[in-house]
Amino acid sequence: ELKVEQNPLFLSMQEGKNYTIYCNYSTTSDRLYWYRQDPGKSLESLFVLLSNGAVKQEGRLMASLDTKARLSTLHITAAVHDLSATYFCAVVLNTDKLIFGTGTRLQVFP
Amino acid sequence: EAQVTQNPRYLITVTGKKLTVTCSQNMNHEYMSWYRQDPGLGLRQIYYSMNVEVTDKGDVPEGYKVSRKEKRNFPLILESPSPNQTSLYFCASSLWRGSGQPQHFGDGTRLSIL
Repeated sequence: ELKVEQNPLFLSMQEGKNYTIYCNYSTTSDRLYWYRQDPGKSLESLFVLLSNGAVKQEGRLMASLDTKARLSTLHITAAVHDLSATYFCAVVLNTDKLIFGTGTRLQVFP
Repeated sequence: EAQVTQNPRYLITVTGKKLTVTCSQNMNHEYMSWYRQDPGLGLRQIYYSMNVEVTDKGDVPEGYKVSRKEKRNFPLILESPSPNQTSLYFCASSLWRGSGQPQHFGDGTRLSIL
């Protein structure tokens, strides 16, 4: 059974600190997405990672993909309150099915 | 404006009363999909469609039907809703698989089945 595991599930961090969210998956995939969801809102695409070694950066967020290790990371640099949200990784299977991780709820406090 | 539109946004109904949640996209996307989101379970794919008249099951298709008669529309049908289908539902669309483009999500439909 395919599993997509994120950790931590909940992250409370102070403004200005750095942290990494991990996304591990249990089958072969060449595509992985990261999404953000604010409470009561829809999902917003953050990053599309298409190959091994892919690295994408946008503002204080940087995502990477290691297909050999079946691992993606979302690194947060110098966190600010506006980054508080739930972050999901999603793995694309060859059949085009999309499997989401359970999400990481991030809370940034002053 | 490029968007995925779901209707209704909220619905409270009773067990066994057939309902349809509509989804429409204006981006000429080939791929469309339905998900349900439940606390502690994340998002789970119900059905997806690669193009007109091409649909396939996701991870939790039981109790749901879909159709793709037109490229822009992908309705989700609950023939005989039950309380365990109470959830938040999202429709999404994207270009074809090799495009490398992410899925665009609608605003969600919150269904309560009593």
